[in-house]
Amino acid sequence: DAKTTQPPSMDCAEGRAANLPCNHSTISGNEYVYWYRQIHSQGPQYIIHGLKNNETNEMASLIITEDRKSSTLILPHATLRDTAVYYCIVRPRGSNYQLIWGAGTKLIIKP
Amino acid sequence: DAGVTQSPTHLIKTRGQHVTLRCSPISGHKSVSWYQQVLGQGPQFIFQYYEKEERGRGNFPDRFSARQFPNYSSELNVNALLLGDSALYLCASSLSLAVSTDTQYFGPGTRLTVL
Repeated sequence: DAKTTQPPSMDCAEGRAANLPCNHSTISGNEYVYWYRQIHSQGPQYIIHGLKNNETNEMASLIITEDRKSSTLILPHATLRDTAVYYCIVRPRGSNYQLIWGAGTKLIIKP
Repeated sequence: DAGVTQSPTHLIKTRGQHVTLRCSPISGHKSVSWYQQVLGQGPQFIFQYYEKEERGRGNFPDRFSARQFPNYSSELNVNALLLGDSALYLCASSLSLAVSTDTQYFGPGTRLTVL
């Protein structure tokens, strides 16, 4: 079973920041939070990951709460091309590389 | 730089047939994982290979098998196809197995339809 909970769908206006929440209340101290997105019928695209600290890259920012039980992915200026299913995944450190995926959040960017 | 490539892109088979799907990882990547994604769901882990050895297996029947070649490319084989095997099959590659924050990069997938 997936170890994360995400809303099934969200809307965001083009040009605004899209904030996608994820609950991972059972996360362990050695588990990372990963975010991927999947545009219709394409392979998932890596976005960002983090352990404890907030992270930022050219695509997005990841805000992890202090207790690490939830996180938020922020797309600062959403465009129509950001419409996709966004997956939040927790993965343990170490050699077991299996990613356990939930159903994700369908993000629709509206003009 | 080429990303993960998969072939074929689409495939139609009938029940009982056998299928082979192929994956070429990003240059320099030694680990390959396979996932099955049924419509409307997230991907489900099938196999992981590293240095030609199976390092992980998901909850799939023995009809599913895979192998990795010396050049790190990989094949996924499915025997005795069932209607329920219809799905998008995804291949992902990563640099290695042991690096704790190693990231998986996915190919475009192979869409398999079983009639």
